[in-house]
Amino acid sequence: DVKVTQSSRYLVKRTGEKVFLECVQDMDHENMFWYRQDPGLGLRLIYFSYDVKMKEKGDIPEGYSVSREKKERFSLILESASTNQTSMYLCASSSRTGNEKLFFGSGTQLSVL
Amino acid sequence: AQSVTQLDSQVPVFEEAPVELRCNYSSSVSVYLFWYVQYPNQGLQLLLKYLSGSTLVKGINGFEAEFNKSQTSFHLRKPSVHISDTAEYFCAVSYANTGRRALTFGSGTRLQVQP
Repeated sequence: DVKVTQSSRYLVKRTGEKVFLECVQDMDHENMFWYRQDPGLGLRLIYFSYDVKMKEKGDIPEGYSVSREKKERFSLILESASTNQTSMYLCASSSRTGNEKLFFGSGTQLSVL
Repeated sequence: AQSVTQLDSQVPVFEEAPVELRCNYSSSVSVYLFWYVQYPNQGLQLLLKYLSGSTLVKGINGFEAEFNKSQTSFHLRKPSVHISDTAEYFCAVSYANTGRRALTFGSGTRLQVQP
């Protein structure tokens, strides 16, 4: 089975800190995604990547950046964390030819105090 | 731009009753449609998908959905639910025949199955 691993299940940070969320997939998928999940809002796309060193903005990229230096790893960066970035962050991956199916990690619950 | 509307935020239902979770989408181009399920304290997993062909799609755990292009809907149904179906269900859409592989999700419907 495809495995998408997010480095932390729970994370607590202070306002203004720089935060790194890491995601690794083990199935050689070309596509990787970062979503945030908030009650009543569903999942909203932050950034995605089709290939190494390639990135595209999603629907809510403000306050975030990403890095994809290796195919298996996709990092989400909060340059200066704010309280409104408290959320569940979900990483996902998919194959370019894999019938559109996304494989999700178990999520990182980030609290910014 | 594409968008997804899930009309019901919560659906309570008794065990063994039928259920329908509603999903409508808006897009000016052809789309692919999906339902994902998130069980309590677990990650999201694919329930079923429509890419092309038959408009009635069968998924895991006895769920099915019907693609209705004229009504831009993709409602999820199960004829008899179990307690174990209690979860949050997300409808999602992506553009067909383009390079964009990112999904746009609805706000989710929490299915609460009661004994």
